[in-house]
Amino acid sequence: QQQVKQSPQSLIVQKGGISIINCAYENTAFDYFPWYQQFPGKGPALLIAIRPDVSEKKEGRFTISFNKSAKQFSLHIMDSQPGDSATYFCAASMSGGFKTIFGAGTRLFVKA
Amino acid sequence: EAEVAQSPRYKITEKSQAVAFWCDPISGHATLYWYRQILGQGPELLVQFQDESVVDDSQLPKDRFSAERLKGVDSTLKIQPAELGDSAMYLCASSLLAGANTGELFFGEGSRLTVL
Repeated sequence: QQQVKQSPQSLIVQKGGISIINCAYENTAFDYFPWYQQFPGKGPALLIAIRPDVSEKKEGRFTISFNKSAKQFSLHIMDSQPGDSATYFCAASMSGGFKTIFGAGTRLFVKA
Repeated sequence: EAEVAQSPRYKITEKSQAVAFWCDPISGHATLYWYRQILGQGPELLVQFQDESVVDDSQLPKDRFSAERLKGVDSTLKIQPAELGDSAMYLCASSLLAGANTGELFFGEGSRLTVL
């Protein structure tokens, strides 16, 4: 019940294309859903986050879509660039950061 | 820009030896987390502190791992004795205050442990 399931494991996208990564959760007590971006040799860094009272949040080329009834959320990267090549983790937490659980990660490669 | 500091960045040790990792969170951050990240997987929470108190250590292998945050600022994670399966990246993160409606974790660059 505490897991966050993420797919796909890896993704190859052409430059300018749309990258889509999906996550699903079980525990309805989760109330904060962030996405983190991690480059090799670095710690994860927050990319964008959403709370369950909204269905979509957009920041630049990055959009989170949230489906509360299905307990699913996804990250869309529009106009994907080679610099977006990294590992992306979805996560879920309770009460603003308590027990943040991470998905297994998606390794994105954007071809130039 | 404020950062979470971790040391050492890399540690190679032999099985059965003791290892220690240090973390200094961003100033003013009350919540500190230790995560373990095995290559190719997502970070797994080991322990979470609120100031100097442990609020969650349910996934910490307490027979060999220990963590402390004595003055509610910096923290040490210790492994004794190290086993081959402990090879991983150990990430420290901090946040303003768990429950303060922010939720953002700020991660350090990690300490990569290799056990031979």
